[in-house]
Formats: sequence, C-alpha cells, structure tokens
Amino acid sequence: QVQLMESGGGVVQPGGSLRLSCAASGFTFSGYGMHWVRQAPGKGLEWLAFMRSDEGNTYYADSVKGRFTISRDNSKNTLYLQMNSLRAEDTAVYHCAKVYGSVGATINYFDYWGQGTLVTVSS
Amino acid sequence: EIVLTQSPATLSLSPGERATLSCRASQNVNSNLAWYQQKPGQAPRLLIYDASNRATGIPARFSGSGSGTDFTLTISSLEPEDFAVYYCQQRKAWPITFGQGTRLEIK
Repeated sequence: QVQLMESGGGVVQPGGSLRLSCAASGFTFSGYGMHWVRQAPGKGLEWLAFMRSDEGNTYYADSVKGRFTISRDNSKNTLYLQMNSLRAEDTAVYHCAKVYGSVGATINYFDYWGQGTLVTVSS
Repeated sequence: EIVLTQSPATLSLSPGERATLSCRASQNVNSNLAWYQQKPGQAPRLLIYDASNRATGIPARFSGSGSGTDFTLTISSLEPEDFAVYYCQQRKAWPITFGQGTRLEIK
C-alpha cells in the first residue's frame, strides 16, 4: 500500500535551516509529481511546493519562494524540502502528498498524504 | 491567486441530518476543485475530485456539485464519523489554494 513518511522536523531558531525528507513506498515514485503542504497549529492547509515526476518543473507558494527548495531523488524514492531563513510563521506540521491519478498524470489533487513532521521555529 | 471562501465556518448538525457545505472561488476554476476531510491528528483525506467525482472508497452519502465559481459538498445523512473539518482546494491555476475550512460539529 502507498506510504509516505516525513522526517527531519524539529526546533530551529529564526534564520536557521532544516531539510525535510519524505520516504515513499508502495507505488512507482518516479511516475508521480509530489507536493509539500503545511498546516500551522490550529490553522488550515497551505500548499507550498510541487515537483514533477521527472525532477523537472517546480512551483512554489509566494510565502516560501526564494527560501524553500523542493527536490527529489527518484533512485531513493525520496522527496525533500530544504528550508532556509526560517521564520516564526513557518511553524507548522509539514506534509508530503502524492498527486492523484495514473502514472505520468499531473492531476494536482492529493490522494495520499504523510502524517507530517512538526517544524517549530523559536528562539 | 485564486481565493476560495468556504461557508459556513462552523456547521452544527445531528447524526442523520443532511449537511451542505459551500466553497466559492474568486475566479472561474471550471470543475478543477476537490474536497477533503480532516479529523484531529490525521492527514486530510481526498473525498471528491473534479467537483463531483467521489474518490476511491468514499461512501455514496458524500456528493459534490458545482462548476465555475460555486461549489457544494453534500453529506446526505450524517454518520458519527463524518464530524470533522472539510476543505476545498483548486488546481486550476498556480498557486494551488485551499479554502479556510468548515468545521462540522455535533449539535
């Protein structure tokens, strides 16, 4: 079955960096675009970033553009999110999510989600 | 950016009642809209995609309708496990955006 497992969260000071990982299994990872979505404590969902299946095109939310970088290693079935210049408002649970549909499709709904990893930005 | 506005913010109903949740887009998104359910401590679950198609394994009591800018999620007869927060999401244009959510609570 499809599994997505995030890791790499923790407590970091403002201005610091973290790299999140999302280990995928149960599907052909190299065939699907992948996203990062976050949820601040008690708040709604915020889409952050997308990378195509072939490690090609990327898209970012304005709130993280220039600070966060999405990447993937299809040989390791792993998605990454490099987060730099972190701010207090980046405190959230970070989820990776798989695009909906068949291999190669880019239907940007999210049919599988990881449970998330908590990032806390605080001094 | 396409803004999605959900209403009401909170809906209080009893099991067995019908729930109607609304999502309005600031621009035409055609049918490029999904609905998700989220329970406390869990990741969201895809319920409806392309405005009216149920995702795999979603019970028939969940239905979606609408196109353009106005969308509705209907739960025909509420089960105890349906009380949760519901989000709409559009994929018509970057950036992908979510509504702020509707909390469905037990009356």
